[in-house]
Formats: sequence, structure tokens, C-alpha cells
Amino acid sequence: ETGVTQTPRHLVMGMTNKKSLKCEQHLGHNAMYWYKQSAKKPLELMFVYNFKEQTENNSVPSRFSPECPNSSHLFLHLHTLQPEDSALYLCASSLHGGEPKEQYFGPGTRLTVT
Amino acid sequence: QKEVEQDPGPLSVPEGAIVSLNCTYSNSAFQYFMWYRQYSRKGPELLMYTYSSGNKEDGRFTAQVDKSSKYISLFIRDSQPSDSATYLCAMKDNQGGKLIFGQGTELSVKP
Repeated sequence: ETGVTQTPRHLVMGMTNKKSLKCEQHLGHNAMYWYKQSAKKPLELMFVYNFKEQTENNSVPSRFSPECPNSSHLFLHLHTLQPEDSALYLCASSLHGGEPKEQYFGPGTRLTVT
Repeated sequence: QKEVEQDPGPLSVPEGAIVSLNCTYSNSAFQYFMWYRQYSRKGPELLMYTYSSGNKEDGRFTAQVDKSSKYISLFIRDSQPSDSATYLCAMKDNQGGKLIFGQGTELSVKP
């Protein structure tokens, strides 16, 4: 699979579990993003990494912990989640942070918290 | 007041119809305007991009920006069942700010 890949595609976890979402981009980009997409709501930007450095944390609760070991990989570590955290989590990348238009999205991870 | 307002639909039209999708916004600093298309079980993909005011045409798709009214539109001519998707508007200022998305309009084109 080319472009931006995300694993797993579906995840069901209990409130006490710890899990991680993985994103990989094959586009040679330097910026990566995590978004949350809930039904009937706009995409919410969670985190931005530019050249492996976190440049934005959009007031995200600490139960979400991002990690960017290199420009091609991005993780979202999850622990002690709440049912309202159930959503589609989308990863995106762009050539540079602040790039106005060219963000490429992965297919998302559908997360259900029980 | 939300920064970007978009009617969530759903919008159902017959094949061949002209579709008009719209967003309004409140931040006059927005300069970049985008439309993304999101198929079911997929991530959004960039469809159209416009800088500042004016029109842009790409095949059956036309994007319009009216900054004086803070209103953007996406027109789809000769709509096809394959156009059935959720359409997201997004916009951004030129100060390095983040993309602000509308909530998306779900479109269904019936054969």
C-alpha cells in the first residue's frame, strides 16, 4: 500500500487497556498529523509533528500520547480511554508543517472504547 | 459561533443533477480554501484548492470563493453515483495556522 497507511484499521478496547495506533507515510514528507473524526463533527486536529518535533498539541487529554521516532512514522499511544473517545482517528502527512493544502490522509483507525 | 459552518445533509440527488455544496465562515483571515472528498471507510482526499477569491474549474467540479460574503461553494455537474461521498470544506489563514474543517456534507447520487 502506498501513500499513508494506518494500522490497525479497527480497534475495540476497554477503558483500562493500553493500545497504540500506527501511521506510516511513504511520500517523503516531513510533517505528520493526528486528527479525530467523530460523527457529524468537524475533523479535530490533535497533534502536529514537523521534522520529528511536536509543534502543536491542541489541548488533547494526556490519555493520548503521540510519538514520532522519525519523519515516516507516527504513533498514538492510548491508555485509560473514555467511551467518548470512540471515533475515527486519521493520520495525515504533508511536505512541510504549515503546508496550506497538500495534506494526505490515511484510511483511519476506527476506535471503539467499551 | 463555529468558525466554519457546513450543512451536514444528507443530500440526495438523481444521477445527472447539478449539486451545490456550501460552507460559510467567520474568520476574515482565511485565505486558502479546500474541498476534500471522503468515501466510506476511507480518509479524506483533496479535491479542489483555491487561494483567495474567485473560481476554479476541474472537469465536472467548480469551486467558488466569495470572501466578501465569507461563503464558498463546490458545484458538481452531471453528478454520478461514484460522486456519493462526504464532502468536507477546509480553510486556513496564511500565518501558518491549522486547517479548519467543516463537519462535512453527505451526498448520495441515485442512479
